[in-house]
Amino acid sequence: QVQLQASGPGLVKPSGTLSLTCVVSNGLISTNNWWSWVRQSPEKGLEWIGEIHPSGKTNYNPSLKSRVTISIDRSKNQFSLKLTSVSAADTAVYFCARERTFWGQGILVSVSS
Amino acid sequence: DIVMTQTPLSSPVTLGQPASISCRSSQSLVNSDGDTYLNWLQQRPGQPPRLLIYKISNRFFGVPDRFSGSGAGTDFTLRISRVEAEDVGVYYCTQGSQLPYTFGQGTKLEIK
Repeated sequence: QVQLQASGPGLVKPSGTLSLTCVVSNGLISTNNWWSWVRQSPEKGLEWIGEIHPSGKTNYNPSLKSRVTISIDRSKNQFSLKLTSVSAADTAVYFCARERTFWGQGILVSVSS
Repeated sequence: DIVMTQTPLSSPVTLGQPASISCRSSQSLVNSDGDTYLNWLQQRPGQPPRLLIYKISNRFFGVPDRFSGSGAGTDFTLRISRVEAEDVGVYYCTQGSQLPYTFGQGTKLEIK
């Protein structure tokens, strides 16, 4: 079955940009599925960030839309998340998933100076 | 946004006994295509969420048949017929009928 693995810096400075990449294996990212980012914190629980289709179409959570960009690289079978102007409130475990069906392990990202 | 409310937030259960978790949405989850995108996730300690049930009552691949889902409209239930030790974790309902997708606050299942 498809597997997903998120990677990126575990520490980001306040006001900086959080950048994560999710590599998809045992399956093609070009299939007709949506590829998602979800985060989890003790304060907010599970929060859907957004998703991208291989066509390039995206949907974002309005609460984060002004700061989020999700992109896809079909040649590398991966998709990425950028979250700008981060604060301590963005500290969370970030998961990548295929349509909230198959989930990657998650990566803890802390925002701190 | 659709608010998903789960009850109870904590459920101590004896091994071999049934368990039930309720989920209520702030508006109907019937999508314009006629389907209801209400899923249940299980998150074991230290693990990512895992899909158990999709579209109210369909068990995902490899999910034991002791798990079942039911409901309609705004009220949904996850049932475990006989709780086993490996079922310990947090259970979430989540809706995919309307953007942004949202999750319940989680129900912690623990063994008495």
